Amino acid sequence: DTAVSQTPKYLVTQMGNDKSIKCEQNLGHDTMYWYKQDSKKFLKIMFSYNNKELIINETVPNRFSPKSPDKAHLNLHINSLELGDSAVYFCASSNNPSGEQFFGPGTRLTVL
Amino acid sequence: QKEVEQNSGPLSVPEGAIASLNCTYSDRGSQSFFWYRQYSGKSPELIMSIYSNGDKEDGRFTAQLNKASQYVSLLIRDSQPSDSATYLCAVTWGSEKLVFGKGMKLTVNP
Repeated sequence: DTAVSQTPKYLVTQMGNDKSIKCEQNLGHDTMYWYKQDSKKFLKIMFSYNNKELIINETVPNRFSPKSPDKAHLNLHINSLELGDSAVYFCASSNNPSGEQFFGPGTRLTVL
Repeated sequence: QKEVEQNSGPLSVPEGAIASLNCTYSDRGSQSFFWYRQYSGKSPELIMSIYSNGDKEDGRFTAQLNKASQYVSLLIRDSQPSDSATYLCAVTWGSEKLVFGKGMKLTVNP
């Protein structure tokens, strides 16, 4: 059974489009995260939700909007995609905000 | 600004040697420390967590934490080619975000 899953695995789209990435965890964790890993492999947090409440909102363009319909799901919607949004996006979850985090397989987004 | 620094590497060791990976962090208030391993094209995988000063051993891996000197290290004994990956150090401060270092690429040569 996959602990943290993401769809899609690959996403290729044109500049200006709107796209969504979905994440689900079956670990019973309360906290979920979105990270961006750029071409230099630097992993940086974007958002964190604890029990469906937004607790971390880093300096991210407001074209990025997370949504947590329930504790097990955290989706990421991106409007008006730009070339610089090309990266790998990882979802993660943990028992609590300072605990061990478990990552999903990643979504490789390519904006043409 | 809370920062986590790792030597940029890359680090290359022969099979069977000890690989030593180091990490320093900027703020003494930090509480939780993690080492993640990331194979090329894969997601980060948690391999060690450490919360108090001293050593923590798990198989061939030992994490060492020194809060006074603000560093945490990872030793890999009897390195294997399958250990070749990028190793990410990560630190949290209370219930704040997890801050990652930029990673150190390790290559173990057969």
